[in-house]
Amino acid sequence: KQEVTQIPAALSVPEGENLVLNCSFTDSAIYNLQWFRQDPGKGLTSLLLIQSSQREQTSGRLNASLDKSSGRSTLYIAASQPGDSATYLCAVDNTGNQFYFGTGTSLTVIP
Amino acid sequence: NAGVTQTPKFQVLKTGQSMTLQCAQDMNHNSMYWYRQDPGMGLRLIYYSASEGTTDKGEVPNGYNVSRLNKREFSLRLESAAPSQTSVYFCASSEAPLASTDTQYFGPGTRLTVL
Repeated sequence: KQEVTQIPAALSVPEGENLVLNCSFTDSAIYNLQWFRQDPGKGLTSLLLIQSSQREQTSGRLNASLDKSSGRSTLYIAASQPGDSATYLCAVDNTGNQFYFGTGTSLTVIP
Repeated sequence: NAGVTQTPKFQVLKTGQSMTLQCAQDMNHNSMYWYRQDPGMGLRLIYYSASEGTTDKGEVPNGYNVSRLNKREFSLRLESAAPSQTSVYFCASSEAPLASTDTQYFGPGTRLTVL
């Protein structure tokens, strides 16, 4: 069974700082990996999807990388803003029909 | 365009009671999913429906049943609720099964407490 780990569990940074969130997974035979954002009391919003053949994806201030061989992905957030405060979840699909989620990193950006 | 909607938003049950969680999507998606989210556990897949008329078990299906009523609607039923089923339940949909490039769209969740 795929195990997905996210470190750190919580992170607090001052506004404007660049930051990196980490995701590691145990089974490198994946179809794709997604990063999601979850605001308190809300559902999940997809941020970036990286297919297994890709190394990275970018959207605005977000950049996600994937290293399948080492079982790792990172989400880079540039010039953080208070509105980026949320929980960020990593999810891996290695069966073709089921995502395995990490427990998330709770990010607080301090104005 | 409402996306994925779930009802109810909150529910309190007593042990042994039954209930159905409703989910609907208006994006003409083929695949729909039910997850539960527990503290420290992450989201776990309960059941999914890759297309209308089909359903399959996910990681934690015990104690649940599902019905893909039509292309829009996918319901989750608890026949005899247990305190271990206290959780936040999310419904999601995607245009195609997970092995494609399509992302999933999530509903706002149902917060269920079983006493």
